[in-house]
Parts: sequence; C-alpha cells; structure tokens
Amino acid sequence: GQQVQQSPASLVLQEGENAELQCNFSSTATQLQWFYQSPGGSLVSLLSNPSGTKHTGRLTSTTVTKERRSSLHISSSQTTDSGTYLCAITDSAGNKLTFGIGTRVLVRP
Amino acid sequence: DPKIIQKPKYLVAVTGSEKILICEQYLGHNAMYWYRQSAKKPLEFMFSYSYQKLMDNQTASSRFQPQSSKKNHLDLQITALKPDDSATYFCASSPTGANSDYTFGSGTRLLVI
Repeated sequence: GQQVQQSPASLVLQEGENAELQCNFSSTATQLQWFYQSPGGSLVSLLSNPSGTKHTGRLTSTTVTKERRSSLHISSSQTTDSGTYLCAITDSAGNKLTFGIGTRVLVRP
Repeated sequence: DPKIIQKPKYLVAVTGSEKILICEQYLGHNAMYWYRQSAKKPLEFMFSYSYQKLMDNQTASSRFQPQSSKKNHLDLQITALKPDDSATYFCASSPTGANSDYTFGSGTRLLVI
C-alpha cells in the first residue's frame, strides 16, 4: 500500500525562525493535504497541494509530483505554530487518505 | 461553529462492553470516513462511506461497525471492547471525487480499562 514518510521527526525553533518540513510518498498521489494537529489533538487542514506551489499566510507548500515529494515551509514561526504537522495523500481512487507520522514542531519564545 | 460534530469527546469503557461513537457533519459532503490514531502511530484509515454506502473497509475486526442512519451521519459501533482499542477516533468528510479536501472532526478519545 501507499507509504508516507515525513522528516524531520521533530524540530525545535526559536520564535521568528523559518522551518521546512518534508513529505515523501511511495506512489502517485492525486491529492496531497497538509494538516496541523494541535497539542490537544484536533486536526486542521492547512492546505491542499497535489502539485506546484501554494501559499496561505506564512505557509508555503511545494509539491513535485514526479519526484513524489512535498515540502511545507513555515516562515517567521510563532509559539502558536507548535504542534504536529501531518502530510496525507490519496491515490487515484480517492477513497482514503494515507497519513505520515508527522513532524512535531516546538517553537520557543 | 464546528462543521463536524463528534460525541462524546472523551469516553472510558470497561473491557467487553459496547460503545457507539457519534459523528454528524454539516458541510453537505457525500463521503464520510472513520480514522483511528493510536499512540505513536500514524492516523489509520478504517472505513469510507459514499452516499451512505460502504466504499472501503480496512478494519480487520468485525467488532467495528459503522452505521449511517442519515446522509450526514456516520456513527461507529464498537463491541466487545479491548484495551488495545484505546485510541482517538476521528470522523472526517469530503465531497466525492479524487481531489477532494478532507475535513476532520475533533475526535473521540476512547480509553478501555
């Protein structure tokens, strides 16, 4: 089945620093979504980016479909960015999302 | 207002008992899903429904039974609960179609003792 690998496993930032999170996947993805999971556990969709580059606020995602990889860039990090960032993909059938284990981010004041 | 409502938020159950996890979505989506998140594991797909019909089932155990009484409801019945069932269960929904965005509920955290 599909596999999603995320790196790094964890990251510590000083407030204001930038970060880049990586997502690699094993098969063609028709949809790729980045999620934020808060320390309390709730999941929020950040953006969808099956190919190309997309921006929302301080987040930029670049997906290179042929190379089966996506990145999420966080600029000017804030303490409220602390949490786990999850990458998830669907295949052509689109019946389900397959998740990576996430990158845990801690932003210190 | 939350677009996907999951109830209860927390649940403690005794081994061997039966519980129902509730999920309602108010996004007008036709596809609904259940996912499970256990400690130190990725979110794991369990079921997908489209127009109230089961599309995919990746749960090995028949103790897990989804129930869709209405288009915007997908409850999860779990029977003969085991401690290994302890996890956070997330409901999600999406419009139908391969490139659809998924929206998740806030989860039900289940502890089986």
